[in-house]
Formats: sequence, structure tokens, C-alpha cells
Amino acid sequence: TQLLEQSPQFLSIQEGENLTVYCNSSSVFSSLQWYRQEPGEGPVLLVTVVTGGEVKKLKRLTFQFGDARKDSSLHITAAQPGDTGLYLCAGAKSNDYKLSFGAGTTVTVRA
Amino acid sequence: NAGVTQTPKFQVLKTGQSMTLQCAQDMNHEYMSWYRQDPGMGLRLIHYSVGAGITDQGEVPNGYNVSRSTTEDFPLRLLSAAPSQTSVYFCASRVQGSTDTQYFGPGTRLTVL
Repeated sequence: TQLLEQSPQFLSIQEGENLTVYCNSSSVFSSLQWYRQEPGEGPVLLVTVVTGGEVKKLKRLTFQFGDARKDSSLHITAAQPGDTGLYLCAGAKSNDYKLSFGAGTTVTVRA
Repeated sequence: NAGVTQTPKFQVLKTGQSMTLQCAQDMNHEYMSWYRQDPGMGLRLIHYSVGAGITDQGEVPNGYNVSRSTTEDFPLRLLSAAPSQTSVYFCASRVQGSTDTQYFGPGTRLTVL
């Protein structure tokens, strides 16, 4: 079983629509990261959140870390075809070098 | 900077063969790691290193060996390949801490027949 559960597994929307991807766990994390991966390439870091309740914005992407630091969400406003990709969340526990990844959410934005 | 480089890009092995996947970074990062990515399972940590001469096991280390003789290089060895090791392998590096930006290589797609 994955330490971090992502939902939904797949998401297909029309250009201009909004979407939200969730990353949940029963464990507490000291930090959580979101990555985007395109086919044939390695994941690329989008954001790191470290404080419970923290909200970070990156253009049309909004990231939130849950108050209890057990969950996170990624919201995309007015999605564009360029947002298509596999979105992965990854968490690290306190005093641990290791990152645990979720299984990912495949997002397809249709033009 | 070339970032994180991996070779080869693609590899086909027969069951029982051995091989080494190469990984190098030119960013003077202390922390390096190897992951495998399988459909529906995300990235799973195989081995990691917090500096030259120091390695440790991750989530799925069986069947793999690593060494870290220099800061730049972190090769992954498959001792006796099995079909269950068919996967895409990614090497990653970062300065050190878990909140540091982690950079991934382009991956090696390995098929074991």
C-alpha cells in the first residue's frame, strides 16, 4: 500500500475548466512536494510546502498543505493543454532523507 | 551544467544477465537516489546516498547494488536480472535535505526477457 494516496487516478477535462488533485495520508509529513512528469522524461519539481495550512500559488496552480500536514491538494484554474501530464506528490517525514511518492494523477486537458 | 545524466536510455536484458545503469550529476549535490517507476505505482526508492562513501537501502532494494565512490557518480547494478525488474529507472540528486529541489535524470527504460 502507498503511504500517499492520490485521487483521482485519471482526469480528463476541457481547456478552460478547473481541476483539483488530492494527495492524502494517515501519516504526518514535515514537507510535501508536487512534481509534474511528461512522457519520456523525469519528474520536475513544481513546489515544496512545509507549514500546515500553507498555500502557495504558481501562476494558475494553487497548492495547499493540510493543517495537520497529512494531506495536500493541487488546484489548476483555467487548465490549458500544456498542463497535461502526470502529477505526483511526495512527502518526507521529520528527520528522514527519504521521499515517499504517491502513484500519481494523469491529467489530460483537451483543446 | 548538464544536470543529472543517465545512460543508457534503453536496455534489453535476458534473465540472469547483469548490468550497470550509470548516473552522474555536475551540481556538487551530496544526496543522490535511484527510483523505479511502474504503472500505477508511482516512484519507489531503491537505494540512496547522502554523500561519497555512504549508501543506504530504500523501499525496494532487493536485486540491486549501489556504490558512491565520488560525489558525481552513483551507479546502480543489477546482479542477476529478472523479469520483475522490467521498469523505468530514474536517478535523482539534490543538495541534501528533503526540502531541497530534487532534480531527476531522463530515465532508463529496462526490459528483462
